[in-house]
Amino acid sequence: SAVISQKPSRDICQRGTSLTIQCQVDSQVTMMFWYRQQPGQSLTLIATANQGSEATYESGFVIDKFPISRPNLTFSTLTVSNMSPEDSSIYLCSVDIASTQETQYFGPGTRLLVL
Amino acid sequence: AQSVTQLDSHVSVSEGTPVLLRCNYSSSYSPSLFWYVQHPNKGLQLLLKYTSAATLVKGINGFEAEFKKSETSFHLTKPSAHMSDAAEYFCVVTGTSGTYKYIFGTGTRLKVLA
Repeated sequence: SAVISQKPSRDICQRGTSLTIQCQVDSQVTMMFWYRQQPGQSLTLIATANQGSEATYESGFVIDKFPISRPNLTFSTLTVSNMSPEDSSIYLCSVDIASTQETQYFGPGTRLLVL
Repeated sequence: AQSVTQLDSHVSVSEGTPVLLRCNYSSSYSPSLFWYVQHPNKGLQLLLKYTSAATLVKGINGFEAEFKKSETSFHLTKPSAHMSDAAEYFCVVTGTSGTYKYIFGTGTRLKVLA
């Protein structure tokens, strides 16, 4: 498995501002993922972030709104830009350790409230 | 396209009685299937996974699931519920072969009554 931490754990932000969420893993991993979980909902994949390449975004998510960085094999950031109350969600990162056959391990999440 | 359906949004059981959380999937190839649990204000924890080996999969905390290809099901069971099992449970199927993308079910909230 892997130990994954996220910062911040929660935040309250004003509309129109941006927040950068950090995801740190205790081992080197190739594939990292960012998810959004809106209140009372399931998880939706935002993008896949592989080191050394541009992030791949899912339908409905765009780089201008959710820019992602992946500078090395243990770290990634997701920025939520120009926030509105509709962005209030839990944002989770996950990693896929190749040797565990497609299994993803999740961070604790960042709880974001936009006023 | 791959999809997963969790048949119950809420399940209530009494402590000590069996748990059954239902999941049906649709896939054009042999998928990998997972169950995750999310306790309140916590991240997701892997309960168990099926990856084309034994069809009866045992997980943590006494949970198990059986892969039934003929029924396209992967139901989660536990013989005896504990109060600590109260949480949200997600059934997950992998997406297009080789992409390792997850497709989540809508979740089942399990309530355990004393």
